[in-house]
Amino acid sequence: EAEVAQSPRYKITEKSQAVAFWCDPISGHATLYWYRQILGQGPELLVQFQDESVVDDSQLPKDRFSAERLKGVDSTLKIQPAELGDSAMYLCASNQQGAEETQYFGPGTRLLVL
Amino acid sequence: AQSVTQPDIHITVSEGASLELRCNYSYGATPYLFWYVQSPGQGLQLLLKYFSGDTLVQGIKGFEAEFKRSQSSFNLRKPSVHWSDAAEYFCARLPSNTGKLIFGQGTTLQVKP
Repeated sequence: EAEVAQSPRYKITEKSQAVAFWCDPISGHATLYWYRQILGQGPELLVQFQDESVVDDSQLPKDRFSAERLKGVDSTLKIQPAELGDSAMYLCASNQQGAEETQYFGPGTRLLVL
Repeated sequence: AQSVTQPDIHITVSEGASLELRCNYSYGATPYLFWYVQSPGQGLQLLLKYFSGDTLVQGIKGFEAEFKRSQSSFNLRKPSVHWSDAAEYFCARLPSNTGKLIFGQGTTLQVKP
C-alpha cells in the first residue's frame, strides 16, 4: 500500500538554527498539505499545495517558515530561525485532485527546539 | 468560525467494554466529517468519513459513527474495545471548497486490561 514518506522522523535543534523537513506524497497525488501539531492539540494546516502552486498559506508564519514543491511532487518545509515554540510534530498529507478526497498522512517529523 | 469540539480529553474503558467518543461541530451546511486515529509518535490513520447519505457510517477496525444533524454531532462508537485501540482519536471536518481539515483537540483512549 502506498504511503506518504517523511524525513527525518525526529529532529533536535537549538533555537536560532535552521531546520528542514522533507515529504514525498503518494504517487499521483496532486495536493499536498503540511500540518503542525502541538502536543495535546489537533493538527493545524500550515500550507496547502496544488501541484507546485500554493493554494493556502494563510497560517504559515512567513517571517520564519517557507515551503516549496518545485516539481509538484515532493516538498520541503523550512524553519529559519527555529524558536522554542516551534517544537511540535510536523505532518505531511496528500490526496488526489479534489478537496473531498481523503487525506493520507505520513508518520510525521517530531521537532524539539532547545 | 467553523469548529470541532471533542468534549472528552481522556477516556478510560475496560477491554471488551463498549466505547463512544463524542464530537460536535459548529456552523455550516452539511459538513464533511472524519475520524482519525493516531498511535503514539505516529501519523494519522483514517477510521471513517461522512459526506452524505446514510447517517451511520462503518469504518475500519470495527468502528462506526453516526451523523446527527439535530445534535450537530458525529460520535464514534465501537461495541467491544481491544487493548490495541489505545490511542488518540481526532474528529475533523472539511469546510466546503477547501482542503483544510479542521481538527478537534483529540480524545486520548486508555484501555484497562
